[in-house]
Amino acid sequence: DAMVIQNPRYQVTQFGKPVTLSCSQTLNHNVMYWYQQKSSQAPKLLFHYYDKDFNNEADTPDNFQSRRPNTSFCFLDIRSPGLGDAAMYLCATSIRQGAKNIQYFGAGTRLSVL
Amino acid sequence: GESVGLHLPTLSVQEGDNSIINCAYSNSASDYFIWYKQESGKGPQFIIDIRSNMDKRQGQRVTVLLNKTVKHLSLQIAATQPGDSAVYFCAENETRTGRRALTFGSGTRLQVQP
Repeated sequence: DAMVIQNPRYQVTQFGKPVTLSCSQTLNHNVMYWYQQKSSQAPKLLFHYYDKDFNNEADTPDNFQSRRPNTSFCFLDIRSPGLGDAAMYLCATSIRQGAKNIQYFGAGTRLSVL
Repeated sequence: GESVGLHLPTLSVQEGDNSIINCAYSNSASDYFIWYKQESGKGPQFIIDIRSNMDKRQGQRVTVLLNKTVKHLSLQIAATQPGDSAVYFCAENETRTGRRALTFGSGTRLQVQP
């Protein structure tokens, strides 16, 4: 059973048209992450929530925003998508257990920008 | 559209052979390491992890070796199967600082020839 669920799996948007990607989890983990992954590259962390605390990575563009209304859901908002924002967007969750920090990933949303 | 990605290093092995995937990490303060497997069109899947107080850990058909002296991590897969074909990423974490973000390596593509 899927534990980190991303919707939709494929999203097409137009240049400059706002888009929202969704993530939900059934693991009750307190940390949720959003990554951007481009072809043949490693996932790149955009930001994460520790409970309700938002933590932005220093090099994440202002064009990317996030919301976490409750423990289970987290959203990625791209305010004005550019062609360079076409990528796979991955959501992940974790709960710190001692020194372990396993992140569990969803299947991703592939975003195309026309 | 999406920018052209980097060319991933590729390891090609015969079915039934053992595979060794290598990873160099840069942060000498990292104390926790994870290997992920990512199949085409899917999110990364946790394989195995290791803390810095260990130099070897075994799972089912997989072994992770850690050499802190040279900052090197390897993943060994025994009796490689076609289903092992994927991109493999190592990731590191500096848990002592409380940092929750993983830093991913650049990835290696494993191709298993039948």
